[in-house]
Amino acid sequence: SQKIEQNSEALNIQEGKTATLTCNYTNYSPAYLQWYRQDPGRGPVFLLLIRENEKEKRKERLKVTFDTTLKQSLFHITASQPADSATYLCALDRSGGGADGLTFGKGTHLIIQP
Amino acid sequence: DAGITQSPRHKVTETGTPVTLRCHQTENHRYMYWYRQDPGHGLRLIHYSYGVKDTDKGEVSDGYSVSRSKTEDFLLTLESATSSQTSVYFCAISEVASTGELFFGEGSRLTVL
Repeated sequence: SQKIEQNSEALNIQEGKTATLTCNYTNYSPAYLQWYRQDPGRGPVFLLLIRENEKEKRKERLKVTFDTTLKQSLFHITASQPADSATYLCALDRSGGGADGLTFGKGTHLIIQP
Repeated sequence: DAGITQSPRHKVTETGTPVTLRCHQTENHRYMYWYRQDPGHGLRLIHYSYGVKDTDKGEVSDGYSVSRSKTEDFLLTLESATSSQTSVYFCAISEVASTGELFFGEGSRLTVL
């Protein structure tokens, strides 16, 4: 079955540094991969999508890479700020771009220390 | 923000009672989803809908049923709630199947005693 792994431990980063979060998956070849941010008591919010034929995607201070050979995505936040502290979720399409939703990782809790 | 409203936002009920959670959207999106989120498990798909009266099961559908009689409403029903269904339930919508970007509601916290 599909399996998605994210860093289970909280990640503590000094303000101004680059935070790098990892998402590994097995037993699947997704058509795309997405990253979401979730704040306590709130629903997840979409951040970025990267397709299988794309190596890298950027949006402001965010950068996502997608290596289908390694079955891994890296999510980078450059010039990190305390406001970036949240849980970040990696998600894969369940059926190669179909309408049957996403499979989510358990998330990585990121803490940016002032 | 996408127009998604979940109700109730909080509910405490007893084992064996029926519970219905409602998701209402004002975006006219075709696809709607119910997820549950639990510590140690993350978000798991319960049921989804790809149109009015068109629904299908997700990975944790046992004990749940859904209905979608209108584009804007997607109901999740627990016919006989159990303590294992204590969770935070999120509704999500999506406009386009090919990308599947989801917009989530604020969640409904259900406690089954």
